[in-house]
Amino acid sequence: GAVVSQHPSWVICKSGTSVKIECRSLDFQATTMFWYRQFPKQSLMLMATSNEGSKATYEQGVEKDKFLINHASLTLSTLTVTSAHPEDSSFYICSARRGGYTGELFFGEGSRLTVL
Amino acid sequence: SQQGEEDPQALSIQEGENATMNCSYKTSINNLQWYRQNSGRGLVHLILIRSNEREKHSGRLRVTLDTSKKSSSLLITASRAADTASYFCATDAIGGGGADGLTFGKGTHLIIQP
Repeated sequence: GAVVSQHPSWVICKSGTSVKIECRSLDFQATTMFWYRQFPKQSLMLMATSNEGSKATYEQGVEKDKFLINHASLTLSTLTVTSAHPEDSSFYICSARRGGYTGELFFGEGSRLTVL
Repeated sequence: SQQGEEDPQALSIQEGENATMNCSYKTSINNLQWYRQNSGRGLVHLILIRSNEREKHSGRLRVTLDTSKKSSSLLITASRAADTASYFCATDAIGGGGADGLTFGKGTHLIIQP
């Protein structure tokens, strides 16, 4: 199956710093990628839809200035958590859609962020 | 995105028994998918059932879909210790045109006792 890679797998940072998480589709092009957030023992909540070459679409309640999303190429989307605080500590998972709007979704392995 | 409900929230059974998990959702869908997640890991896609299908099998997995009740079930037969994980249903809503992400249920945490 197709591969979606996230980097880093885990990161620990100090409060107030910014952290960038990358999501790459390794063997296919993805015009649309999605970013999810998952708190411990909870489900995945969609944060935003990342569109190649245009602005991301954020879900209600997600601060776009806090969670910056850039989809600069058909194989890479980045999520930057700006001025991170302990409440931003979470598991962030991306997914990429292969083959256009009806294509199958593939998920990355996730990135665990811990803000001290 | 609104989340569906899954029940039970947690399930513990003996190895070899069958495990059944249920999922309900709220909107009309194109398809419904089931995923497995081991603790602290990413999602593993298990099976996709389209809105015009009622039942689907894949190995030890059996999925049913009742669009009139907006519900689905996942049956794992002859469970193994390695099946211990969280299981999520996810729906792909009609009208999103693929531009929307999946909406995930709250998940069922399955524990298989050896």
